[in-house]
Amino acid sequence: EADIYQTPRYLVIGTGKKITLECSQTMGHDKMYWYQQDPGMELHLIHYSYGVNSTEKGDLSSESTVSRIRTEHFPLTLESARPSHTSQYLCASSESSAARTEAFFGQGTRLTVV
Amino acid sequence: AQSVSQHNHHVILSEAASLELGCNYSYGGTVNLFWYVQYPGQHLQLLLKYFSGDPLVKGIKGFEAEFIKSKFSFNLRKPSVQWSDTAEYFCAVNNNRDDKIIFGKGTRLHILP
Repeated sequence: EADIYQTPRYLVIGTGKKITLECSQTMGHDKMYWYQQDPGMELHLIHYSYGVNSTEKGDLSSESTVSRIRTEHFPLTLESARPSHTSQYLCASSESSAARTEAFFGQGTRLTVV
Repeated sequence: AQSVSQHNHHVILSEAASLELGCNYSYGGTVNLFWYVQYPGQHLQLLLKYFSGDPLVKGIKGFEAEFIKSKFSFNLRKPSVQWSDTAEYFCAVNNNRDDKIIFGKGTRLHILP
């Protein structure tokens, strides 16, 4: 069983609010990822990190920001939520490329901005 | 940039039917290939993976996939599906250069009992 946790599972929030989606993993993985997934659609990579103090933009442009101060923690922040941010956000982690392992996913956060 | 194409967006089969889900990727270098499954209400789980070696890989629950380098394909197969295979299936690829894992749009599989 993968040890990667996302909180909250569901969030309904008003427009203009600042939100932080939490993601933590206890596997000591260097690489972490954030994906955005709309219902019935593909997963879009929006952020990734190779390790502490490393953050990169993914293939899909996102107004969110991320930080990686600790290996196990990779929070995603929206400074001012808008209805267009309504989506499911999935966090994942994997070992370094030398190990060539798969990504382990959290349960996801389903965000609704009203 | 690499990309992943899954040809079937929605597949409906009866139990015991054979399954093949197509997946093609675009990237000229060395790639690692994955199939993930998402059962209703659950998180994404790895079904199988290919890094190197035998191009026919076997995963959990009777699934297998074949890597055909010349066709840039990694199709998923199962000889006889069960009702419990109803789920969404995602093909994914990453390369050893930038380590991003890119997913296809997914195939929603519905098995009729």
